[in-house]
Amino acid sequence: DAKTTQPPSMDCAEGRAANLPCNHSTISGNEYVYWYRQIHSQGPQYIIHGLKNNETNEMASLIITEDRKSSTLILPHATLRDTAVYYCIVNQGGKLIFGQGTELSVKP
Amino acid sequence: EAEVAQSPRYKITEKSQAVAFWCDPISGHATLYWYRQILGQGPELLVQFQDESVVDDSQLPKDRFSAERLKGVDSTLKIQPAELGDSAMYLCASSRGLAGGGNEQFFGPGTRLTVL
Repeated sequence: DAKTTQPPSMDCAEGRAANLPCNHSTISGNEYVYWYRQIHSQGPQYIIHGLKNNETNEMASLIITEDRKSSTLILPHATLRDTAVYYCIVNQGGKLIFGQGTELSVKP
Repeated sequence: EAEVAQSPRYKITEKSQAVAFWCDPISGHATLYWYRQILGQGPELLVQFQDESVVDDSQLPKDRFSAERLKGVDSTLKIQPAELGDSAMYLCASSRGLAGGGNEQFFGPGTRLTVL
């Protein structure tokens, strides 16, 4: 099973870009990388996903390395409401295997 | 914006009692998932439905847990009897099809279960 490795916690100043790294060195060629976040006591929220190319939507950008062994989620202008646990997940045949995620704290 | 609905939001029960959780997925979503999330950990998949059929229930403790989606729309997860270790958040999610690229899962708000 493709697993992901994320730092347990990160801090970011409000208004600055938050760059959340993820390692997925055992990812297979047809497996997508998904990012979700979970604000305290709420259900996980979908952010973005990608296969090979970099992706951008209204919430974030996803940068995937050329060898696909790692990726970075970028929140361009972090706000206090972005404080949450961020999960990087390799989608395996339709299953999302959640790890521990990165707890991002955005500070004033 | 369409959302996944779950009820109840909170449930307190005593051990050995039966509990049931309900989920209504986003309209038109064929795939429905039940997850359990213990405090401090990521969600863990319990069961996955494609329409009314179970696709994966390998992590469902079948001696006490059951799940059904009789008409391929809403779903019920039951625990009987509840044990202290079942205290957790129970999350329901849905997607248009079997998740791969472009079939992201949308989660409901969850049911927080406390077993005393």
